[in-house]
Amino acid sequence: KNEVEQSPQNLTAQEGEFITINCSYSVGISALHWLQQHPGGGIVSLFMLSSGKKKHGRLIATINIQEKHSSLHITASHPRDSAVYICAVRFGSQGNLIFGKGTKLSVKP
Amino acid sequence: DSGVTQTPKHLITATGQRVTLRCSPRSGDLSVYWYQQSLDQGLQFLIQYYNGEERAKGNILERFSAQQFPDLHSELNLSSLELGDSALYFCASSVGPSNSPLHFGNGTRLTVT
Repeated sequence: KNEVEQSPQNLTAQEGEFITINCSYSVGISALHWLQQHPGGGIVSLFMLSSGKKKHGRLIATINIQEKHSSLHITASHPRDSAVYICAVRFGSQGNLIFGKGTKLSVKP
Repeated sequence: DSGVTQTPKHLITATGQRVTLRCSPRSGDLSVYWYQQSLDQGLQFLIQYYNGEERAKGNILERFSAQQFPDLHSELNLSSLELGDSALYFCASSVGPSNSPLHFGNGTRLTVT
Protein backbone atom coordinates (compact mmCIF):
# COMPACT_ATOMS: atom_id res chain seq x y z
CA LYS A 1 0.00 0.00 0.00
CA ASN A 2 1.29 3.45 -0.91
CA GLU A 3 1.48 5.45 2.29
CA VAL A 4 2.73 8.85 3.36
CA GLU A 5 3.55 9.53 7.00
CA GLN A 6 4.27 12.95 8.44
CA SER A 7 5.72 13.90 11.79
CA PRO A 8 5.09 15.59 14.03
CA GLN A 9 1.32 16.04 13.79
CA ASN A 10 1.48 19.25 15.79
CA LEU A 11 4.38 21.58 16.43
CA THR A 12 4.59 24.70 18.55
CA ALA A 13 7.68 26.89 18.28
CA GLN A 14 8.93 30.24 19.48
CA GLU A 15 9.63 32.92 16.94
CA GLY A 16 13.16 32.56 15.58
CA GLU A 17 13.45 28.82 16.11
CA PHE A 18 14.61 26.39 13.43
CA ILE A 19 11.83 24.01 12.46
CA THR A 20 11.90 20.59 10.83
CA ILE A 21 8.92 18.65 9.52
CA ASN A 22 9.41 15.12 8.30
CA CYS A 23 7.76 13.01 5.64
CA SER A 24 8.29 9.31 4.96
CA TYR A 25 6.80 7.21 2.21
CA SER A 26 6.56 3.51 1.60
CA VAL A 27 7.66 2.89 -1.98
CA GLY A 28 9.58 4.64 -4.71
CA ILE A 29 8.14 7.90 -5.96
CA SER A 30 8.48 10.09 -9.02
CA ALA A 31 8.00 13.40 -7.17
CA LEU A 32 7.28 14.85 -3.74
CA HIS A 33 5.42 18.09 -3.04
CA TRP A 34 5.39 20.26 0.06
CA LEU A 35 2.23 22.32 0.45
CA GLN A 36 1.23 25.03 2.91
CA GLN A 37 -2.37 25.50 3.96
CA HIS A 38 -3.25 28.66 5.84
CA PRO A 39 -6.02 28.89 8.44
CA GLY A 40 -8.28 30.44 5.79
CA GLY A 41 -8.01 27.18 3.86
CA GLY A 42 -6.05 28.19 0.77
CA ILE A 43 -3.22 25.90 -0.37
CA VAL A 44 0.11 27.12 -1.66
CA SER A 45 2.61 24.82 -3.32
CA LEU A 46 6.02 25.36 -1.71
CA PHE A 47 8.25 22.83 -3.43
CA MET A 48 8.23 19.97 -5.88
CA LEU A 49 11.32 17.80 -5.80
CA SER A 50 12.49 14.40 -6.91
CA SER A 51 16.07 14.52 -5.65
CA GLY A 52 18.47 16.64 -3.63
CA LYS A 53 17.57 19.93 -2.05
CA LYS A 54 15.68 23.12 -2.88
CA LYS A 55 15.70 26.48 -1.11
CA HIS A 56 13.30 29.39 -1.27
CA GLY A 57 13.84 32.21 1.17
CA ARG A 58 13.75 30.76 4.70
CA LEU A 59 12.39 27.42 3.50
CA ILE A 60 14.52 24.43 2.59
CA ALA A 61 13.28 21.06 1.35
CA THR A 62 15.42 17.97 1.10
CA ILE A 63 14.74 14.47 -0.11
CA ASN A 64 16.65 11.21 0.38
CA ILE A 65 15.46 8.77 -2.25
CA GLN A 66 17.25 5.77 -0.75
CA GLU A 67 15.74 6.33 2.69
CA LYS A 68 12.33 7.35 1.26
CA HIS A 69 12.33 10.44 3.41
CA SER A 70 11.94 14.17 2.96
CA SER A 71 12.29 17.10 5.35
CA LEU A 72 10.98 20.64 5.25
CA HIS A 73 13.04 23.13 7.24
CA ILE A 74 12.07 26.64 8.23
CA THR A 75 14.85 28.90 9.43
CA ALA A 76 14.22 31.92 11.70
CA SER A 77 10.54 30.99 12.07
CA HIS A 78 7.94 33.74 12.26
CA PRO A 79 4.31 33.79 13.42
CA ARG A 80 3.21 34.18 9.80
CA ASP A 81 4.67 30.70 9.15
CA SER A 82 1.82 29.29 11.27
CA ALA A 83 -0.07 26.95 8.97
CA VAL A 84 -0.58 23.29 8.15
CA TYR A 85 2.24 21.82 6.10
CA ILE A 86 1.32 18.88 3.90
CA CYS A 87 3.58 16.40 2.17
CA ALA A 88 2.23 14.76 -0.98
CA VAL A 89 3.85 12.18 -3.23
CA ARG A 90 3.34 10.94 -6.73
CA PHE A 91 3.95 7.27 -7.44
CA GLY A 92 4.80 6.52 -11.05
CA SER A 93 3.75 8.65 -13.98
CA GLN A 94 0.10 9.12 -13.08
CA GLY A 95 -1.19 12.49 -11.99
CA ASN A 96 -2.65 11.48 -8.68
CA LEU A 97 -1.03 12.56 -5.42
CA ILE A 98 -1.16 10.73 -2.11
CA PHE A 99 -1.26 13.16 0.79
CA GLY A 100 0.08 13.02 4.31
CA LYS A 101 -2.21 14.09 7.13
CA GLY A 102 -0.34 17.35 7.60
CA THR A 103 1.68 19.00 10.35
CA LYS A 104 0.03 21.89 12.15
CA LEU A 105 2.67 24.48 12.99
CA SER A 106 2.09 27.32 15.42
CA VAL A 107 4.82 29.89 15.88
CA LYS A 108 4.44 32.07 18.96
CA PRO A 109 5.85 35.63 19.10
CA ASP B 1 -2.25 34.80 -6.48
CA SER B 2 -1.94 31.34 -8.09
CA GLY B 3 -3.88 32.32 -11.20
CA VAL B 4 -6.36 29.48 -10.62
CA THR B 5 -9.95 30.62 -10.16
CA GLN B 6 -12.61 28.55 -8.45
CA THR B 7 -16.26 29.42 -8.15
CA PRO B 8 -18.29 29.58 -6.08
CA LYS B 9 -16.34 30.08 -2.85
CA HIS B 10 -19.16 28.77 -0.70
CA LEU B 11 -22.10 26.56 -1.51
CA ILE B 12 -24.85 25.43 0.82
CA THR B 13 -27.36 22.92 -0.45
CA ALA B 14 -29.63 20.13 0.69
CA THR B 15 -29.22 16.38 0.53
CA GLY B 16 -30.23 14.88 -2.77
CA GLN B 17 -29.40 17.99 -4.75
CA ARG B 18 -26.89 18.47 -7.54
CA VAL B 19 -24.19 21.17 -7.74
CA THR B 20 -21.51 22.22 -10.19
CA LEU B 21 -18.13 23.54 -9.15
CA ARG B 22 -16.10 25.46 -11.66
CA CYS B 23 -12.34 25.89 -12.12
CA SER B 24 -10.37 28.08 -14.50
CA PRO B 25 -6.72 27.01 -14.65
CA ARG B 26 -3.74 29.31 -14.67
CA SER B 27 -3.04 30.71 -18.11
CA GLY B 28 -0.95 28.22 -20.09
CA ASP B 29 -1.67 25.23 -17.84
CA LEU B 30 -3.16 22.21 -19.59
CA SER B 31 -3.76 19.95 -16.60
CA VAL B 32 -6.58 20.36 -14.11
CA TYR B 33 -6.83 18.32 -10.92
CA TRP B 34 -9.71 18.05 -8.48
CA TYR B 35 -9.21 17.25 -4.80
CA GLN B 36 -11.55 16.79 -1.88
CA GLN B 37 -10.59 17.76 1.66
CA SER B 38 -12.82 16.53 4.47
CA LEU B 39 -12.18 16.59 8.18
CA ASP B 40 -11.96 12.83 8.53
CA GLN B 41 -10.27 11.86 5.25
CA GLY B 42 -7.87 14.76 4.68
CA LEU B 43 -6.93 15.63 1.12
CA GLN B 44 -7.83 13.10 -1.53
CA PHE B 45 -7.27 13.15 -5.26
CA LEU B 46 -10.46 12.85 -7.29
CA ILE B 47 -9.62 13.21 -10.98
CA GLN B 48 -7.24 14.82 -13.46
CA TYR B 49 -7.78 16.14 -16.96
CA TYR B 50 -5.05 17.01 -19.40
CA ASN B 51 -5.85 19.05 -22.50
CA GLY B 52 -9.47 17.95 -22.47
CA GLU B 53 -8.92 14.26 -21.83
CA GLU B 54 -9.26 12.34 -18.58
CA ARG B 55 -5.73 11.51 -17.45
CA ALA B 56 -6.05 9.89 -14.03
CA LYS B 57 -8.81 8.88 -11.69
CA GLY B 58 -8.68 8.62 -7.93
CA ASN B 59 -11.27 8.17 -5.23
CA ILE B 60 -14.09 9.75 -7.14
CA LEU B 61 -17.59 8.49 -6.40
CA GLU B 62 -19.91 7.43 -9.22
CA ARG B 63 -22.24 10.27 -8.17
CA PHE B 64 -19.47 12.70 -9.12
CA SER B 65 -18.37 13.53 -12.61
CA ALA B 66 -16.07 16.05 -14.20
CA GLN B 67 -15.05 17.39 -17.56
CA GLN B 68 -12.58 19.78 -19.10
CA PHE B 69 -13.81 22.04 -21.86
CA PRO B 70 -11.97 23.23 -25.00
CA ASP B 71 -11.08 26.50 -23.28
CA LEU B 72 -9.48 24.32 -20.56
CA HIS B 73 -11.79 25.30 -17.74
CA SER B 74 -13.18 22.37 -15.79
CA GLU B 75 -16.35 21.57 -13.96
CA LEU B 76 -16.94 19.07 -11.18
CA ASN B 77 -20.53 17.88 -10.90
CA LEU B 78 -21.73 16.39 -7.64
CA SER B 79 -25.16 14.77 -7.62
CA SER B 80 -27.45 13.03 -5.14
CA LEU B 81 -25.57 14.88 -2.45
CA GLU B 82 -25.16 13.35 0.98
CA LEU B 83 -24.16 14.91 4.29
CA GLY B 84 -20.76 13.24 3.96
CA ASP B 85 -20.03 15.15 0.79
CA SER B 86 -19.59 18.31 2.83
CA ALA B 87 -15.97 19.28 2.29
CA LEU B 88 -13.55 21.70 0.71
CA TYR B 89 -13.08 21.00 -2.97
CA PHE B 90 -9.85 22.23 -4.49
CA CYS B 91 -8.84 22.59 -8.07
CA ALA B 92 -5.20 22.75 -9.09
CA SER B 93 -3.52 23.20 -12.44
CA SER B 94 -0.13 22.48 -13.95
CA VAL B 95 1.57 22.86 -17.28
CA GLY B 96 2.28 19.22 -17.95
CA PRO B 97 0.46 15.94 -17.46
CA SER B 98 2.44 14.67 -14.49
CA ASN B 99 5.57 16.01 -12.82
CA SER B 100 4.98 19.74 -12.96
CA PRO B 101 4.53 22.21 -10.10
CA LEU B 102 0.94 22.61 -8.99
CA HIS B 103 -1.03 25.83 -8.62
CA PHE B 104 -4.03 25.64 -6.34
CA GLY B 105 -7.27 27.55 -6.36
CA ASN B 106 -8.77 28.87 -3.13
CA GLY B 107 -11.30 26.07 -2.97
CA THR B 108 -15.06 25.75 -2.82
CA ARG B 109 -16.53 25.02 0.59
CA LEU B 110 -19.56 22.78 0.13
CA THR B 111 -22.01 22.32 2.97
CA VAL B 112 -24.77 19.75 2.55
CA THR B 113 -27.61 20.09 5.05
